[in-house]
Amino acid sequence: KQEVTQIPAALSVPEGENLVLNCSFTDSAIYNLQWFRQDPGKGLTSLLLIQSSQREQTSGRLNASLDKSSGRSTLYIAASQPGDSATYLCALWYGTASKLTFGTGTRLQVTL
Amino acid sequence: DTAVSQTPKYLVTQMGNDKSIKCEQNLGHDTMYWYKQDSKKFLKIMFSYNNKELIINETVPNRFSPKSPDKAHLNLHINSLELGDSAVYFCASSPQGPTGYTFGSGTRLTVV
Repeated sequence: KQEVTQIPAALSVPEGENLVLNCSFTDSAIYNLQWFRQDPGKGLTSLLLIQSSQREQTSGRLNASLDKSSGRSTLYIAASQPGDSATYLCALWYGTASKLTFGTGTRLQVTL
Repeated sequence: DTAVSQTPKYLVTQMGNDKSIKCEQNLGHDTMYWYKQDSKKFLKIMFSYNNKELIINETVPNRFSPKSPDKAHLNLHINSLELGDSAVYFCASSPQGPTGYTFGSGTRLTVV
């Protein structure tokens, strides 16, 4: 059974800092890994999708990496801004069933 | 706009009632899903349909019945609502195969 853990559960940083969010998983036989952002009371916004054959993906100030052998993915946010405050979720597509298994989430707060 | 849209956004109802949540996607995706986000913000899959065919049915009470009239629509009907059904329900869709998901904005169900 796939288990997905995100550390830390919550993080508060001052504006401008670079930060790393971690996602670890127990079964490395994944098809892809997707990072989402969820604002309070809102839906999920897809940030980055990494296929199993890829090592990383970049979009603006965001960079996500994937190391299947060690069961880890990181989401790097450069020059954080208050607007980055949200909950960040990683999710894996693995196995024969086309479903996502979500991590526990990291709640990020970027302060002025 | 191309998107996954679900209605209603908020639903407050009494215990014992029957309610439905509707979902539509205009992305041309083959697969649609219902996910439940509990009070601890953990997301878990409930159902998945591929071209109107049920392919995933997790351990969900029989009071929950999905219906897919066509591949662009997936509705969720809930009978005899209970307090524990209070949660945010997300609809999502994806193309065939392990590619990225697109989520709707969620329906916050409150059972009183």
